[in-house]
Amino acid sequence: AQSVTQLDSQVPVFEEAPVELRCNYSSSVSVYLFWYVQYPNQGLQLLLKYLSGSTLVKGINGFEAEFNKSQTSFHLRKPSVHISDTAEYFCAVRPNYGGSQGNLIFGKGTKLSVKP
Amino acid sequence: DTAVSQTPKYLVTQMGNDKSIKCEQNLGHDTMYWYKQDSKKFLKIMFSYNNKELIINETVPNRFSPKSPDKAHLNLHINSLELGDSAVYFCASSPSTGIEAFFGQGTRLTVV
Repeated sequence: AQSVTQLDSQVPVFEEAPVELRCNYSSSVSVYLFWYVQYPNQGLQLLLKYLSGSTLVKGINGFEAEFNKSQTSFHLRKPSVHISDTAEYFCAVRPNYGGSQGNLIFGKGTKLSVKP
Repeated sequence: DTAVSQTPKYLVTQMGNDKSIKCEQNLGHDTMYWYKQDSKKFLKIMFSYNNKELIINETVPNRFSPKSPDKAHLNLHINSLELGDSAVYFCASSPSTGIEAFFGQGTRLTVV
């Protein structure tokens, strides 16, 4: 079975400061990794994904994440946040069974609040 | 040109009623899902359909019945609504050979 742990339920930060949202996962098989963002009263939008290759992946809106296999982590970072980044961020994994994939499993989310 | 669309966006209803939420995707994907997001924002899969066939039913009460008339649609019908059914329900889709899922805007169901 797989599980996803987002270590911080809330992260307050000032505008233009850097931010890191932490995500750890547990899985007995290899996984694909994702970060989704949910703006207030909106659906989920894919920020970025790691499938294979370079462990540093870049996404939309200036976000990036680094896959660390030994630490089973996939932390999300942005060097300088804007007020508009205020949202709920979800880390998710999808198990890779070789010829097929399992369903997305989500963490409990991290609420990023950017203050002026 | 919305990729995954759900209707309605908001649904307020009384306990005991029966209601449906519709979902349509125009991405040509083979797999569709229903997720439930509870009041604490936790997302959990309810159903997964591939080419109109049920693949996953994650211990969802029998009052919830998904219906897929074709592979572009996956509707969710809920009988005898209970207070605990209040949540945001998300529809999503993905290609059978793809990895990521594309989500709809969600339907906020409130049972009073």
